[in-house]
Amino acid sequence: GDSVTQMEGPVTLSEEAFLTINCTYTATGYPSLFWYVQYPGEGLQLLLKATKADDKGSNKGFEATYRKETTSFHLEKGSVQVSDSAVYFCALTDRRKLIWGLGTSLAVNP
Amino acid sequence: DTAVSQTPKYLVTQMGNDKSIKCEQNLGHDTMYWYKQDSKKFLKIMFSYNNKELIINETVPNRFSPKSPDKAHLNLHINSLELGDSAVYFCASSQGAGGGYTFGSGTRLTVV
Repeated sequence: GDSVTQMEGPVTLSEEAFLTINCTYTATGYPSLFWYVQYPGEGLQLLLKATKADDKGSNKGFEATYRKETTSFHLEKGSVQVSDSAVYFCALTDRRKLIWGLGTSLAVNP
Repeated sequence: DTAVSQTPKYLVTQMGNDKSIKCEQNLGHDTMYWYKQDSKKFLKIMFSYNNKELIINETVPNRFSPKSPDKAHLNLHINSLELGDSAVYFCASSQGAGGGYTFGSGTRLTVV
């Protein structure tokens, strides 16, 4: 069945560092891909999405490109802030529901 | 206006009790979900309703019963609560099943 694998955390960075959180997937067909973010004590929020190969999703300085050849959707940000500390989830849709990765916790220190 | 609201935010109860969590969305979405998130942040889908019809019913104890009186509401009733039911429960909604979800802020259930 469809699945999502993302890098294990926690990831700890200093402010203004470059962030990459790896996400790879297996799926039949051509799923849409998503990144969600969960700030402490809150629900999940859609961060960005891509619906077809080579699409780039972007929001709040975060970017991810749908790479069909490597079945990847890595999340990147050029300069993280303390306020980016959260758990990040990669997901894909199988048209019935979202298939979730296990989440990657990010802590950004001042 | 809160897009997806769930109540209560916190729920502490004794083993064996019955409790309900309510969820309402004002986005006009046709699909609603219940998720359970454990202490390691693992997300498990429990149920999904589309226009009041149950479309996903994952392997969940039958002590958990969802009810959708209309497409804007999806409630979760839990009978005979157990320690292992302690978790954060999230309601979410979407337009269709393949799109982005909007989540509520969660209900932290603690069974003592």
